[in-house]
Parts: sequence; structure tokens; C-alpha cells
Amino acid sequence: EIVMTQSPATLSVSPGERATLSCRASQSVSSNLAWYQQKPGQAPRLLIYGASTRATGIPDRFSGSGSGTEFTLTISSLQSEDFAVYYCQQYNNWPPLTFGGGTKVEIK
Amino acid sequence: QVQLVESGGGLVKPGGSLRLSCAASGFTFSDYYMSWIRQAPGKGLEWVSYISSSGSTIYYADSVKGRLTISRDNAKNSLYLQMNSLRAEDTAVYYCARGIVGATSSYWGQGTLVTVSS
Repeated sequence: EIVMTQSPATLSVSPGERATLSCRASQSVSSNLAWYQQKPGQAPRLLIYGASTRATGIPDRFSGSGSGTEFTLTISSLQSEDFAVYYCQQYNNWPPLTFGGGTKVEIK
Repeated sequence: QVQLVESGGGLVKPGGSLRLSCAASGFTFSDYYMSWIRQAPGKGLEWVSYISSSGSTIYYADSVKGRLTISRDNAKNSLYLQMNSLRAEDTAVYYCARGIVGATSSYWGQGTLVTVSS
């Protein structure tokens, strides 16, 4: 099973600042990685697939990068609606599909 | 528009059973694979099960293998999760989802809460 590790667990950022979230895979997942955003009481929403491709309707302030075992989600200028929990998920070697533990982006 | 609506959650005693349903609309259900993902209270996401569009291919997480059974009825546009021998650690919100294996779009239901407690 591929273990996905996200860091940090919590990120405190001021509105308008840049946020950088990390995701590490226990073995290579190539570019078969997705990022999701989840707000309290809501289902997750797909942000990025293929490590770097934004899903339909996702603002360009969200960008993904990386391949192999190291990935990054960058939010260039945080808006109030971006404060949420973010999960990475690999789909390269499955079953099982595996998610990271999440990074909570909170207001500083 | 694509809609996924889960139902069937509730309170059940350890060792009990429950059947979750997911009603799909807004797309050709029989064309798509589907999955169940769960989230324990205050915790992260855990993939539970996958079923191919025809139902011929099925996978489970090790944590539920032998106790949970995924199925679908393409004529009724519905996905199911039969849950037997439930344990306290199965307590979670259960989401049905379309498109979580590298899809360009992903749709999730609002989730249904299953609580296993005596």
C-alpha cells in the first residue's frame, strides 16, 4: 500500500498570502496524484488531477506540481473561501486508493 | 447536473447490519465506475470500495473486506453498500463518488452518517 504523508498538518496564513502544501508518497506514483479541498460539512471537491492539471472551474490561483514522490499544492493569494482542509490522493498503484492525512489551512 | 444522493445511514449496534444507497442522476450511470469513501468524525478520507461500470470488477479496502459488499443496479441508477458485522471503527460519514481514479471531474454526494454504538 502506498502511504501518502502531508505536511504541515496545519498551516496558518493571512488572506492574500501564498500557501504551500506538501504531499509525499512512500513510493513513486508518477503524476497520478489528485488534490481535493474540503470545507466543514461539505464533500471534498476536486482541485487538481494528474499532479498539475486544474479541474474545471478551479481558479488559477491553485496550482499543483511534482512527480514521483514529492508534490506541492500552491495557493498563490489566499482568499477567504480557500480556508479549508486539503487532501492529496494517489491513483497510480491501487487498490487501495490512498489519501494523505490532510492539511488544514487556517486564518492567521 | 450530476447529483449523487446517499441514504440509509443511522445508528446501529456492533455486529449489526445496514444498507446504504446512492441515487444517481444527471448522467448515464451505467457508463461510470463508482466508489464509496468514508470519513470518521474529525478524521481524514478513507477509500472503502470500487465497482466498475458493469459491476464486473470490484475492489475493497482490507479494513472492510468480507464485511462490506458494494453493488449497483444500472437500471435503477443506484449504487449500494451492504454493511454487515459492523464495528465501532466503521462509524463515519459515507460518501458515494464518481471519478476518483484520475478523472478530469469528480462528483461526490453529501454523505450519510453511520454510527456504530451500543
